[in-house]
Amino acid sequence: DAGITQSPRHKVTETGTPVTLRCHQTENHRYMYWYRQDPGHGLRLIHYSYGVKDTDKGEVSDGYSVSRSKTEDFLLTLESATSSQTSVYFCAISVAGAGQPQHFGDGTRLSIL
Amino acid sequence: AQTVTQSQPEMSVQEAETVTLSCTYDTSESDYYLFWYKQPPSRQMILVIRQEAYKQQNATENRFSVNFQKAAKSFSLKISDSQLGDAAMYFCAPTHARLSGNTPLVFGKGTRLSVIA
Repeated sequence: DAGITQSPRHKVTETGTPVTLRCHQTENHRYMYWYRQDPGHGLRLIHYSYGVKDTDKGEVSDGYSVSRSKTEDFLLTLESATSSQTSVYFCAISVAGAGQPQHFGDGTRLSIL
Repeated sequence: AQTVTQSQPEMSVQEAETVTLSCTYDTSESDYYLFWYKQPPSRQMILVIRQEAYKQQNATENRFSVNFQKAAKSFSLKISDSQLGDAAMYFCAPTHARLSGNTPLVFGKGTRLSVIA
């Protein structure tokens, strides 16, 4: 299994609070991704990173920010959580190169009440 | 933008039988890659198989194979000799091939496969 650790694995918080999810990899892969998974939607891309301090928006980036100050860590922040952000969040990594598969972490279940 | 359609929200198969999951996609790109991922109840996302669009030969991985029809933009997954452990949600996901670097996956909404003993 790819060395990807997501933390926390579960979190319950209240509307309006800030939340940060962490993705840590031990593979030294260049690319890292954040997806959310909701019933009926599959996985949708939030943000991704193609190197330290290099990030780009995905399909559902509103209300989320990311940071990558080190190769191994990719942080996803909800500045002011809303109930619509209740979801399961997945981090993925891939080596550089066209068509390289992504390898996923175990996911974080986030509930916003 | 790519769109991916998995037209079968749910399917079932008898143990030891064969089942085919369908996937169609829409893209204007000529070079891309396609993946199938499996998500069992444990919630892990597991890579099942990968296909390069420029290759005419269909990819196979043990009991898993694809039927890739580029002109029809179809990428179906065939599971032979189905096992109870194959029960999962299956996602089709294409991605473009770019010289500028990797591009993210675009996922279909998934097909839930049940295996009946």
